[in-house]
Amino acid sequence: GESVGLHLPTLSVQEGDNSIINCAYSNSASDYFIWYKQESGKGPQFIIDIRSNMDKRQGQRVTVLLNKTVKHLSLQIAATQPGDSAVYFCAEIANTGANSKLTFGKGITLSVRP
Amino acid sequence: GAGVSQTPSNKVTEKGKYVELRCDPISGHTALYWYRQSLGQGPEFLIYFQGTGAADDSGLPNDRFFAVRPEGSVSTLKIQRTERGDSAVYLCASSLTPGMITEAFFGQGTRLTVV
Repeated sequence: GESVGLHLPTLSVQEGDNSIINCAYSNSASDYFIWYKQESGKGPQFIIDIRSNMDKRQGQRVTVLLNKTVKHLSLQIAATQPGDSAVYFCAEIANTGANSKLTFGKGITLSVRP
Repeated sequence: GAGVSQTPSNKVTEKGKYVELRCDPISGHTALYWYRQSLGQGPEFLIYFQGTGAADDSGLPNDRFFAVRPEGSVSTLKIQRTERGDSAVYLCASSLTPGMITEAFFGQGTRLTVV
């Protein structure tokens, strides 16, 4: 069937290598950013988040880097596994208070070669 | 339930027909969000409910789209006079804390195809 990743840029990596997925966000007033993973036929799944007063945050096998100067966000995945294959979206929020809305980027398909 | 549940998983309808898409949020979650995801795109905000009321419906594309949440739990997204451009995956999310989309969990979506 059709994939949510159809027509999206694709990053192909070898299993075991590190992956770096990049995102350019649009709103300089955004104060919160989230990376989501979306597998085919499923909804977006939270991976990691970062506030605008930070430039780096680490999770389990994942690291998010934020460069506010150039409005750039990246997701690094260590020792990429086949289960990491999915579409990855960055999302920004301009106001983390009540009624905040996510603005999603276009997404990148990560394909892991065995 | 354990997660956000959306029904049906897939819906094929003819142009001009009326459709209803259902979302069962996580039990106890007061905030509920609807997003629409076109092929190859990221999800786009449609409407946000806090309890029974729509706190923000600024993302609804036109008056053919309407959503309700009469008892503050299950929500139904209603689309009248469907058009081929309405074809997309409709995602629902819920969060425990009102307005905190940062804590929201998404359902698997309903894939709507208008033929």
